Amino acid sequence: DAKTTQPPSMDCAEGRAANLPCNHSTISGNEYVYWYRQIHSQGPQYIIHGLKNNETNEMASLIITEDRKSSTLILPHATLRDTAVYYCIVRVNTNAGKSTFGDGTTLTVKP
Amino acid sequence: GAVVSQHPSWVICKSGTSVKIECRSLDFQATTMFWYRQFPKQSLMLMATSNEGSKATYEQGVEKDKFLINHASLTLSTLTVTSAHPEDSSFYICSAVSGTGDTEAFFGQGTRLTVV
Repeated sequence: DAKTTQPPSMDCAEGRAANLPCNHSTISGNEYVYWYRQIHSQGPQYIIHGLKNNETNEMASLIITEDRKSSTLILPHATLRDTAVYYCIVRVNTNAGKSTFGDGTTLTVKP
Repeated sequence: GAVVSQHPSWVICKSGTSVKIECRSLDFQATTMFWYRQFPKQSLMLMATSNEGSKATYEQGVEKDKFLINHASLTLSTLTVTSAHPEDSSFYICSAVSGTGDTEAFFGQGTRLTVV
């Protein structure tokens, strides 16, 4: 898996958009960008993934730069329940279970 | 998404005893399951890969005789921590991939093990 770099922590006001960056400058052509989050004392939860096009689902949007060396996860209207550690993982889209988790970004949504 | 369930959610045991943790895929068949460990304020670390009907594959530094893994069916994998010590206290998480193209992994809710 390619190495990723994320800021250790971020704050966001409730109701505002949370933009979480991830750098993955060594990403290979067949590697996808995956985002998971882990709420305290729970297992990781899948959020979204993409290869090169921007993606959106009911939870979030994923913006991948044209050179694919970085991406941003966007939570459009953050709530207090979005407070969690967010992990950006870069890997091929097979062998999904062997994900390498870095330190992630601790997002704190404040009232 | 698919559901993976772990049992128990938390357990306290005495030093020297063994503890079994179950991981079940509730609505899909999982040919492969994975066991992670997470110490406080640290990230998840992969311990082993559990393959249905065959021996588990352990990551470097993980003692296979201490962490026994059994994957006897397509919906159940178990992790047994043998002769537990306080340093084994951790959050244990399993994940599972479906049998048809392992493009996505689904995680259990985790098991908090405390060894006293």
